Amino acid sequence: EAAVTQSPRNKVAVTGGKVTLSCNQTNNHNNMYWYRQDTGHGLRLIHYSYGAGSTEKGDIPDGYKASRPSQENFSLILELATPSQTSVYFCASGKTGTGHAEQFFGPGTRLTVL
Amino acid sequence: QQKVQQSPESLIVPEGAMTSLNCTFSDSASQYFAWYRQHSGKAPKALMSIFSNGEKEEGRFTIHLNKASLHFSLHIRDSQPSDSALYLCAVSAGGYKVVFGSGTRLLVSP
Repeated sequence: EAAVTQSPRNKVAVTGGKVTLSCNQTNNHNNMYWYRQDTGHGLRLIHYSYGAGSTEKGDIPDGYKASRPSQENFSLILELATPSQTSVYFCASGKTGTGHAEQFFGPGTRLTVL
Repeated sequence: QQKVQQSPESLIVPEGAMTSLNCTFSDSASQYFAWYRQHSGKAPKALMSIFSNGEKEEGRFTIHLNKASLHFSLHIRDSQPSDSALYLCAVSAGGYKVVFGSGTRLLVSP
């Protein structure tokens, strides 16, 4: 029943390694988002997408790539992981249009880069 | 670029008290104002939203919005220990982006 799912839920990576975080939504929303959450910073937008095939840079895109192969799936890719990317990552989906800004979040992925 | 700030950073209130959380924003064209609640180890979840000036009440929760002052707030009446969580305010000026504040951590003591 969960409308937004993420995998993996926990990940330990080594510095310089490649990490892919996956997100799937069954809300049929056009928009999808990747955020990271660190203490004192709230939710910071990394990349977002307004439909299959599109990706846009958010506020902190450096060191991250994104891929939206379908309406349902949105991935976040760390080509060369660094310890500064240790964080909790949330995926979200949302509708398009004024008055439809509510976002629905997945359960999060805790990433540790050693 | 939209700036969203919350106060206080953290708050401890006794059970049964009124809790007030504040959020200021910088873009006067903002159209969507919301509060999200995040319990420890869980995902943020939308609590309430408002689109026009004034007040909106849902149960023990009330949002006040004053666009001219670039300010909105959340008030929790009869606070309960289950209300203990991180509260995030969120603002959108339309389009795809929602900007979140850094959060207020609320602890309601029994």
